[in-house]
Amino acid sequence: EIVLTQSPDTLSLSPGEGATLSCRASQSISRSYLVWYQQKPGQAPRLLIYGASSRATGIPDRFSGSGSGTDFTLTITRLEPEDFAVYYCQQLHGTPQTFGQGTKLEIK
Amino acid sequence: QVQLQESGPGLVKPSQTLSLTCNVSGDSINSGGYYWSWIRQHPGKGLEWIGYIYHTGSTFYNPSLKSRVNILVDSSKNQLSLKVTAVTAADTAVYYCARVGVYGSGTYWGQGILVTVSS
Repeated sequence: EIVLTQSPDTLSLSPGEGATLSCRASQSISRSYLVWYQQKPGQAPRLLIYGASSRATGIPDRFSGSGSGTDFTLTITRLEPEDFAVYYCQQLHGTPQTFGQGTKLEIK
Repeated sequence: QVQLQESGPGLVKPSQTLSLTCNVSGDSINSGGYYWSWIRQHPGKGLEWIGYIYHTGSTFYNPSLKSRVNILVDSSKNQLSLKVTAVTAADTAVYYCARVGVYGSGTYWGQGILVTVSS
């Protein structure tokens, strides 16, 4: 089983600042199979990034993904109030298709 | 626009079987390139992958649940279903169905349904 470890668990920032979220895999995975989701309270997760760096339809360009091998990053520039949420990475490289534990992005 | 909608009982007694249905619109559940998946989220916790069925009929389940889970497709109704047997309080969660792209592209989730296991 591929374990995904996200850091930090919680990130406290102010609107307008930039955020960097990390997702580390316990073994190397193809970047094609790494996705990022955003989840707001009471809502289902929403796809942000697929293939490690491709934005899903309708996702603003302040969201970007990067990385390869075991280390992946979600970067959000110029935080907007609606960006404060929980973010999850997931690997589709193998089964079980595991998720990271999540990073909560909260308003400072 | 692809839409998924979960339905089923919101309350299940311990030791019984949890049965959920996911109605799919905007795409055929027989279309290739997607994992038709179930994921759950315990209250206040993270996401747990339950399993998926591929258009070929192949299924893969989380080893932690494998002996108790079954995912099926009803092509005539364009529906996905989930059955979890011998439930306990630990199975209380929001259950989501999702169409997950093989490379992630085109992934959509249902809104989720809260299932509580309690007598």
